[in-house]
Amino acid sequence: GEDVEQSLFLSVREGDSSVINCTYTDSSSTYLYWYKQEPGAGLQLLTYIFSNMDMKQDQRLTVLLNKKDKHLSLRIADTQTGDSAIYFCAENPSNTGKLIFGQGTTLQVKP
Amino acid sequence: DVKVTQSSRYLVKRTGEKVFLECVQDMDHENMFWYRQDPGLGLRLIYFSYDVKMKEKGDIPEGYSVSREKKERFSLILESASTNQTSMYLCASTPAGRGSVNEQFFGPGTRLTVL
Repeated sequence: GEDVEQSLFLSVREGDSSVINCTYTDSSSTYLYWYKQEPGAGLQLLTYIFSNMDMKQDQRLTVLLNKKDKHLSLRIADTQTGDSAIYFCAENPSNTGKLIFGQGTTLQVKP
Repeated sequence: DVKVTQSSRYLVKRTGEKVFLECVQDMDHENMFWYRQDPGLGLRLIYFSYDVKMKEKGDIPEGYSVSREKKERFSLILESASTNQTSMYLCASTPAGRGSVNEQFFGPGTRLTVL
């Protein structure tokens, strides 16, 4: 069945790069997503990548997609304390809009 | 901007009470979803709806029901609240259509405590 896996916790120092990894099972998703959840808030779409792309860059964010291994990663350059949040990756099987989310990775940024 | 609102940010109820969680979106989205979020488990889908008066069970529907009488409103009902339903509840909506990115837009969440 459909499944999305992430590690639960990552701790980095301010100014370092953060890399959050995700594996997924569905190959029919046209898009794959990264969402950010700040404390006490709902999820907000951070970025997404079209499935026929290998990489997408948006300012400090870089998304890498390895379709062969079904691996998605999010790199945050020059991580700031404001990046502390939970990050969820998600797939969209058969593009129905019914997303499957990973467990979420809590990013802790130490000053 | 798409806006998804939820009726309460925090709610405290007693075991056995009937609980209503309301969600309203203002962008004429066809699809609406209810999730619960628990530490280490991520988001688990409770129910979803692709149209008015239409509902489908998600992964964990037991103990819950839903109502969608109007396109903009999707209600989650706990018929008889239990302590294991203490959780953060998140509502989301997305437009239909295979041409869209299918991004889900989330409300701020309702933190429900059942005593």
